[in-house]
Parts: sequence; C-alpha cells; structure tokens
Amino acid sequence: GENVEQHPSTLSVQEGDSAVIKCTYSDSASNYFPWYKQELGKGPQLIIDIRSNVGEKKDQRIAVTLNKTAKHFSLHITETQPEDSAVYFCAALEYNNNDMRFGAGTRLTVKP
Amino acid sequence: DARVTQTPRHKVTEMGQEVTMRCQPILGHNTVFWYRQTMMQGLELLAYFRNRAPLDDSGMPKDRFSAEMPDATLATLKIQPSEPRDSAVYFCASGLEEWGGYEQYFGPGTRLTVT
Repeated sequence: GENVEQHPSTLSVQEGDSAVIKCTYSDSASNYFPWYKQELGKGPQLIIDIRSNVGEKKDQRIAVTLNKTAKHFSLHITETQPEDSAVYFCAALEYNNNDMRFGAGTRLTVKP
Repeated sequence: DARVTQTPRHKVTEMGQEVTMRCQPILGHNTVFWYRQTMMQGLELLAYFRNRAPLDDSGMPKDRFSAEMPDATLATLKIQPSEPRDSAVYFCASGLEEWGGYEQYFGPGTRLTVT
C-alpha cells in the first residue's frame, strides 16, 4: 500500500519568511496529492491540491510542486503570517482506490 | 457556507458502552469517509461510502465497529462495545466524486474518550 512520509515534523519561521514542507510517497500509481491545514480543535481543511498531470499549482501565497519521477511533492507558503500557524498534512491517493494516505503532519509556527 | 457537520462534538463514556457518532455530509456530495485521528497513528481511513453503498471498510475493526448511511444526509459510525483504545478524534469527510473530483471536506470531528 501507499506510504507517505512528511518532513519536517516541526517548523518555526519568522513572520514574512517562507515555509517549505516536503512529502514523499511510495506508490507510483498515486495521482492526487492534497494538502490540509488543521488548527487546534478543528478538522483538516483542504488548502490546495495537485494532480499527477501537473507539475506546479499556485493559489495566492501557497504553491505546491510535484516531481513524479522522484515521487515527492512540496508545499510552499510565502510571506507567512501568524494565522498560518497550524499543523499541515500532505496526502496521496490513487483515483481508483479512495484510500487516502496521510503524512504524519508538520507543526508550523509563525512568530510575529 | 456548506460544511460537514458532526455530532456529538465530544463524548466521554465508560468501557463497554455503545457509542454512536453522526455525520451530515455536504448536500449533494456522493462520497462519505470516516477517519480516526490519534497521536500515534495519525489519520487513518476507517470506512468509505459512495452513493450510500459501503465500498471499503477494511480499516475498521469489524467485531466492534459498524458504519452505515441510512440516507443521503446521514452517516453513522457505531462502536459496540467501546474500549479505552478507541479513544481518538473521529472525522467524517464528504466529497463529490464526479467530473474527476476527489476533494474531501472534513467535519469538525467527534472527540471520543473511553474510560
């Protein structure tokens, strides 16, 4: 089955700096890669996703890149703000198998 | 603002008791997922429904857990009998699996504590 590894487990940045979180996956059949943000006491919130036919996707201050050959994908947050502080999860899924596998999460702290 | 709702938000119960968690998916969504989140195991898929039919419940301990969708607006996850190791946050998510859509939208979760 799919195995998703996520690094780092914790990340602390200064407000205004960029943050990068990286994930690798094992199943080359995976073709959908979402990123979720989870704040304390809340459910994971989908913030951006990318499909295997695309190498990069951007939405305002967040972007995701995918390298299918190397089987890794990354989340980039620019101009970080204190409200970006949360736990971020990557995930991987194969279209024909809805068993989405999540990374272990990255706790991001943005210091004002 | 369409969102997944879950009840109860918190549940404390004693070992051996039955627990029922409820989920109302986003109106119009045709897929429903149940996940369990713990510090040790992270987010794990328990069960998955498409058009109310159970497609995958391999992640669920069958002897004590059961998941159903009595109708398109209600999904339930039942644990009977509950055990302390079932303590976790249980999330329901829904999605619309059409036109290549695989996004999953999560509810706020039910925090279950079994003593």
